[in-house]
Amino acid sequence: AQTVTQSQPEMSVQEAETVTLSCTYDTSESDYYLFWYKQPPSRQMILVIRQEAYKQQNATENRFSVNFQKAAKSFSLKISDSQLGDAAMYFCAYRSLSRLTFGEGTQLTVNP
Amino acid sequence: GAVVSQHPSWVICKSGTSVKIECRSLDFQATTMFWYRQFPKQSLMLMATSNEGSKATYEQGVEKDKFLINHASLTLSTLTVTSAHPEDSSFYICSARQGATGELFFGEGSRLTVL
Repeated sequence: AQTVTQSQPEMSVQEAETVTLSCTYDTSESDYYLFWYKQPPSRQMILVIRQEAYKQQNATENRFSVNFQKAAKSFSLKISDSQLGDAAMYFCAYRSLSRLTFGEGTQLTVNP
Repeated sequence: GAVVSQHPSWVICKSGTSVKIECRSLDFQATTMFWYRQFPKQSLMLMATSNEGSKATYEQGVEKDKFLINHASLTLSTLTVTSAHPEDSSFYICSARQGATGELFFGEGSRLTVL
């Protein structure tokens, strides 16, 4: 079974600074997708960024980028120029076929 | 992006009663829908996978007789918590897989409180 591990239960960052959230996963499959989701206090799950395992290039979405290390099974999220609205719970997720497995989550606080 | 709507967003019920939560894909057909449960400050745990027109597949440890899932159409799946007890109080989230793209979209979630 696939597992996703987020070793940082909580992180904090100063507004306008950069923060990196860690995620590792375990799988024996070669074809899969990785995601970072954001869950603000409203509890709505919001897709932040996705990465296809077959792509070597790291995905980027505006201020959000990932460092995907397939051999190490690592998938970290970097948030640049952090904003107050980035404060939320962030979940790393692994998807093979249609099943989605989430990590434990990292609560991000952004300090003004 | 595509929209998935859950209803009700918030429900309180008495112990022993049944509660139905609906999950609708508003602007796309969902071949597969997923139901998750989330306790406070914890991750989402997959409860079951439902495919339109067939029986749901439940995760290990999830009581299928307690959590009834019906996926009668390509736009609607329902989760019925039968004979609810206080320990069933939780946040329930559905997601729907768009058939054409395979993308997953999440509903807003439903908070269940059993007194």
